[in-house]
Amino acid sequence: RKEVEQDPGPFNVPEGATVAFNCTYSNSASQSFFWYRQDCRKEPKLLMSVYSSGNEDGRFTAQLNRASQYISLLIRDSKLSDSATYLCVVIYSSASKIIFGSGTRLSIRP
Amino acid sequence: NAGVTQTPKFRVLKTGQSMTLLCAQDMNHEYMYWYRQDPGMGLRLIHYSVGEGTTAKGEVPDGYNVSRLKKQNFLLGLESAAPSQTSVYFCASSYPHNAGGTEAFFGQGTRLTVV
Repeated sequence: RKEVEQDPGPFNVPEGATVAFNCTYSNSASQSFFWYRQDCRKEPKLLMSVYSSGNEDGRFTAQLNRASQYISLLIRDSKLSDSATYLCVVIYSSASKIIFGSGTRLSIRP
Repeated sequence: NAGVTQTPKFRVLKTGQSMTLLCAQDMNHEYMYWYRQDPGMGLRLIHYSVGEGTTAKGEVPDGYNVSRLKKQNFLLGLESAAPSQTSVYFCASSYPHNAGGTEAFFGQGTRLTVV
């Protein structure tokens, strides 16, 4: 079983729609959680951190559920520019490794 | 401030050849990482380093070696390239996680083809 699992998609939604992704992790010792965004043939870049209390950054909302060991990303009022691959990232407290999920592809259509 | 710089950006190798990928960062980060990215596989950790002179294995270390002789540089070596090593390689760096470090900064990637 992979340490971090994501639905690969692709998610194909119309502009203005709300879309949500989930990511599950297997190690309960996981310490920190993030969402990264990767555009085609580019390097990954940090989108937002994920806090236990949930956090929001404009149209983006991230949630963490430690009991069920999953994190989520919600995108409201999606824009064409949101088309990208979204990577779930976990950092373990017992190690220094940054583990990435395989990514969820999102395509926004006009 | 260049951030994380990878060289080369593209390379074609013949099976059995060797090469070294260089990663340089100018942010004084302690941690550095090498990942490979293949279609449908996401980023998989090859090796990482938590400081100058230290290295550790990641998920897929076989066929690769690394060195961190200077804090700002992290080298990834392929001693005898195989077609299975055709991939996009990303280097990243960050501050220590227990010191509040969060964001990992990535280089632009190296596209390697082994024929």
